[in-house]
Amino acid sequence: SQQGEEDPQALSIQEGENATMNCSYKTSINNLQWYRQNSGRGLVHLILIRSNEREKHSGRLRVTLDTSKKSSSLLITASRAADTASYFCATWPGNQFYFGTGTSLTVIP
Amino acid sequence: NAGVTQTPKFQVLKTGQSMTLQCAQDMNHNSMYWYRQDPGMGLRLIYYSASEGTTDKGEVPNGYNVSRLNKREFSLRLESAAPSQTSVYFCASSEQGLRYFGPGTRLTVT
Repeated sequence: SQQGEEDPQALSIQEGENATMNCSYKTSINNLQWYRQNSGRGLVHLILIRSNEREKHSGRLRVTLDTSKKSSSLLITASRAADTASYFCATWPGNQFYFGTGTSLTVIP
Repeated sequence: NAGVTQTPKFQVLKTGQSMTLQCAQDMNHNSMYWYRQDPGMGLRLIYYSASEGTTDKGEVPNGYNVSRLNKREFSLRLESAAPSQTSVYFCASSEQGLRYFGPGTRLTVT
């Protein structure tokens, strides 16, 4: 069974708006990572947040982690058309790496 | 520095045919992985290799074999392709918990 589940499955916003996607997982983790996949391409690592961290920033990305609720959110601020992609959370409970089903983000110019 | 490379990019097979997907990385990573990606399923691990000379089954290994030829190369073989193996296959390597992915191979089995 999959460890991570993203929500929503699809999101469509106007350029300049913020995009928020969520990830829920099932067991304790060492860290949680977010990846981006452009259409027809491989996944690219965006950001890693460790289990003892609550929030992390990287450029226009803000990730939060709530281990009590077993959930994480990825916020992309001031979205651009180039942010159009699928976003996956990946969790590492310790011996395996699990990817969620992804959120498909469309940013309309 | 090419990162992770995969060949071929696209492949069409008939049921029962065999083929090998090639993967190479030039980042000197010990660990390498093969995933398949299907709509609505996310990525699922087929096999992985923690180091040269070792391989282990992942979540969905049936119908596949792997070879860790050397530190750089990790190949995935389909001995007798089935339509259920129609998917996009990604190779990845990792260092310090981060995955680095290849561009993928889109395989169709008819």
